[in-house]
Amino acid sequence: GNSVTQMEGPVTLSEEAFLTINCTYTATGYPSLFWYVQYPGEGLQLLLKATKADDKGSNKGFEATYRKETTSFHLEKGSVQVSDSAVYFCALSLGSNFGNEKLTFGTGTRLTIIP
Amino acid sequence: NAGVTQTPKFQVLKTGQSMTLQCAQDMNHEYMSWYRQDPGMGLRLIHYSVGAGITDQGEVPNGYNVSRSTTEDFPLRLLSAAPSQTSVYFCASSYSAVGGLGEQFFGPGTRLTVL
Repeated sequence: GNSVTQMEGPVTLSEEAFLTINCTYTATGYPSLFWYVQYPGEGLQLLLKATKADDKGSNKGFEATYRKETTSFHLEKGSVQVSDSAVYFCALSLGSNFGNEKLTFGTGTRLTIIP
Repeated sequence: NAGVTQTPKFQVLKTGQSMTLQCAQDMNHEYMSWYRQDPGMGLRLIHYSVGAGITDQGEVPNGYNVSRSTTEDFPLRLLSAAPSQTSVYFCASSYSAVGGLGEQFFGPGTRLTVL
């Protein structure tokens, strides 16, 4: 079946540190890959996505590259801020004839940034 | 636009009680879904709908019913609440296009406790 494995947290970094959150996947087809972010007390919001191999998704200083050869989609940011403190979820979707559906999520990684 | 709204925000039930979690979206999205979020398990899909009158089961459908009589609304019914259903429930929607992979928009969540 399809699955997503994420780096276990929690992760605590100092402001301006470099961030990497690892994500690898197993899928029976050619998935699209996503990173969602959940700020305290809120629902999830899409951070970035990539729909095919070698695509790079980017948003708000975060980046992730779809690596088919290593089945990975690691999230990176060069200089984190306190406002980046949140839970980050890696997810995949194989889509269907109906389009977008059935996101498979990782377990989430809680990130805390210390001033 | 209000986006995806969910009510109530918090609910406490006794074992055996029934209730309905409400979800509505005003973006004319075809696709809607319900997830539950449990510690260490990420989000798991309960039920989803690709349009009015069409629903299907996700990964963990037992103990839950859904219906989709309108494009806007997608209520989740707990038939006889059990402590194992204590969780945070998220509703999500997206524009569904054949072959497309659009962004899913999440509601703020309902925190349910079953005693």
